[in-house]
Amino acid sequence: AQTVTQSQPEMSVQEAETVTLSCTYDTSENNYYLFWYKQPPSRQMILVIRQEAYKQQNATENRFSVNFQKAAKSFSLKISDSQLGDTAMYFCAFILDDKIIFGKGTRLHILP
Amino acid sequence: ETGVTQSPTHLIKTRGQQVTLRCSSQSGHNTVSWYQQALGQGPQFIFQYYREEENGRGNFPPRFSGLQFPNYSSELNVNALELDDSALYLCASSLGQSWGELFFGEGSRLTVL
Repeated sequence: AQTVTQSQPEMSVQEAETVTLSCTYDTSENNYYLFWYKQPPSRQMILVIRQEAYKQQNATENRFSVNFQKAAKSFSLKISDSQLGDTAMYFCAFILDDKIIFGKGTRLHILP
Repeated sequence: ETGVTQSPTHLIKTRGQQVTLRCSSQSGHNTVSWYQQALGQGPQFIFQYYREEENGRGNFPPRFSGLQFPNYSSELNVNALELDDSALYLCASSLGQSWGELFFGEGSRLTVL
């Protein structure tokens, strides 16, 4: 069975710093998708970034980038120049066929 | 462009009762998925509907059932409520049968007493 593990329940960083959120997953499959979703205190989840497993190049969206290590089954999220609005729960998600599995999340606090 | 809307936002039920939660998809989306998010946990996938047919299901018992209507709105029904069903229920819409970007609603907070 597939699993997703986020080993950092909570993190705090100063505004403008860089922070990395870790995510590992377990699967024996080769083709799948990985996502990072953000859930601000208002509760509505929004997509941060996605990665297709067949792509070797790491995805980047403005200040957000991933370090995808397929062999190690690792999918970490790096937030550069962090902003107060980045304060939220961050969920790593693994998608295979007709199912999606979310990790338990990392609560990120950006401090002024 | 109208986003995903869910109703009701909060509700309280007692054990053994039945509940129906509703979701309106984002305009143009034909796929809806539902999630249960317990306090302090990540969302757990319940099921997904594409063009009125269920095309994926997580590890939830049959008392969790759903419908998708021709206008792609959706309902989640839960029968014989248990205390552990207390959670935030999230709906998300997307375009197409394969997993694309999910657009989430703000959720329905269910409390079972």
